[in-house]
Amino acid sequence: NAGVTQTPKFRVLKTGQSMTLLCAQDMNHEYMYWYRQDPGMGLRLIHYSVGEGTTAKGEVPDGYNVSRLKKQNFLLGLESAAPSQTSVYFCASSYSPGTSGDLSTDTQYFGPGTRLTVL
Amino acid sequence: EDQVTQSPEALRLQEGESSSLNCSYTVSGLRGLFWYRQDPGKGPEFLFTLYSAGEEKEKERLKATLTKKESFLHITAPKPEDSATYLCAVQAEKLVFGKGTKLTVNP
Repeated sequence: NAGVTQTPKFRVLKTGQSMTLLCAQDMNHEYMYWYRQDPGMGLRLIHYSVGEGTTAKGEVPDGYNVSRLKKQNFLLGLESAAPSQTSVYFCASSYSPGTSGDLSTDTQYFGPGTRLTVL
Repeated sequence: EDQVTQSPEALRLQEGESSSLNCSYTVSGLRGLFWYRQDPGKGPEFLFTLYSAGEEKEKERLKATLTKKESFLHITAPKPEDSATYLCAVQAEKLVFGKGTKLTVNP
């Protein structure tokens, strides 16, 4: 199993450009998440999905959109990139917390990250 | 508001010098506490989940413990390959991460 994969690994954008980050998982997980990691800030949740066709806002959703058209894929879009969106982006996935009664399903597994620079 | 505080921010050890990392938290309805290891340029790698006070888990030189207010990650006789940033996260309604402790183990 590849686990959680992310493409691309690196990207440089100019202010105002758009792009999409792709996350794929092969563990049949229901939940998927997008985080950003900035120095001194820790990991912050951008958006998440509790299943195919669903999305929800996290802690820092402004300037981002997401889609979950297939269970195994979760896309993060930046419609008009800003320098404040320079960051490292991580995707994660987990089983569906709370529905099985097995708390071990909460564990989130992370991808390798995408380093995005907006000039 | 759910909060997770990790200390120290950075720790330098000599190879073989045991120590502990701290994760203190305030959260309503704790479902679990997670420890992750993150190497530079990589994603967080899952280490442990602890669910209730008094629980302990071990993996090689690492041992995680949990009380009602904090968790400790004990590192026994560390090696240079244990150098990484260790992240703590608590799961309540959502997963809240601490800022991490950067561990450097010198040979």
